[in-house]
Amino acid sequence: DTGVSQDPRHKITKRGQNVTFRCDPISEHNRLYWYRQTLGQGPEFLTYFQNEAQLEKSRLLSDRFSAERPKGSFSTLEIQRTEQGDSAMYLCASSRGTAGTEAFFGQGTRLTVV
Amino acid sequence: SQQGEEDPQALSIQEGENATMNCSYKTSINNLQWYRQNSGRGLVHLILIRSNEREKHSGRLRVTLDTSKKSSSLLITASRAADTASYFCALYSGAGSYQLTFGKGTKLSVIP
Repeated sequence: DTGVSQDPRHKITKRGQNVTFRCDPISEHNRLYWYRQTLGQGPEFLTYFQNEAQLEKSRLLSDRFSAERPKGSFSTLEIQRTEQGDSAMYLCASSRGTAGTEAFFGQGTRLTVV
Repeated sequence: SQQGEEDPQALSIQEGENATMNCSYKTSINNLQWYRQNSGRGLVHLILIRSNEREKHSGRLRVTLDTSKKSSSLLITASRAADTASYFCALYSGAGSYQLTFGKGTKLSVIP
């Protein structure tokens, strides 16, 4: 399978715990995006990487959120001290190097904070 | 950054009918894209139309773009039950912005 893969697909955690999600983009894609989606809403942009550099961050990304993309390959999104409001689907997408091209999405990680 | 706004929010049609959904935006764009999302799944890219194009086809999909009205429409012809999904328009806003933003989507239900 050469698509974008995300792990885990589902995560249930207790409030206050830390969680980490992983995204493996399509291998030749140097752009990687994280989005958050709640029920009935469109995906909300969180952050963007070009290779290993994090170039844009949304105001939605509070200091409890951190994302990395070491060596410009896979990426991780960590949420510290989770809150119930963090419950959502977290989507990862990747695209080729030219701005304005189509993005390929993974199946997402559904986070439930109890 | 700007995002598109889809209209209607929800649409229910019979199988075999055509479905039309619209997207409006506010500032200049390089291109506009449409994506589909089946319930609880990731998004799938359907079609991209550039700012210098007025119409584009892909199978049963037809997309139009009117930059003077800052609007786009997605037409699905001869709909099938499998077309039931949420449809989103997405756009990059302005030069140098890598933020691909999405509207809230149109939820399409195709009744067999």
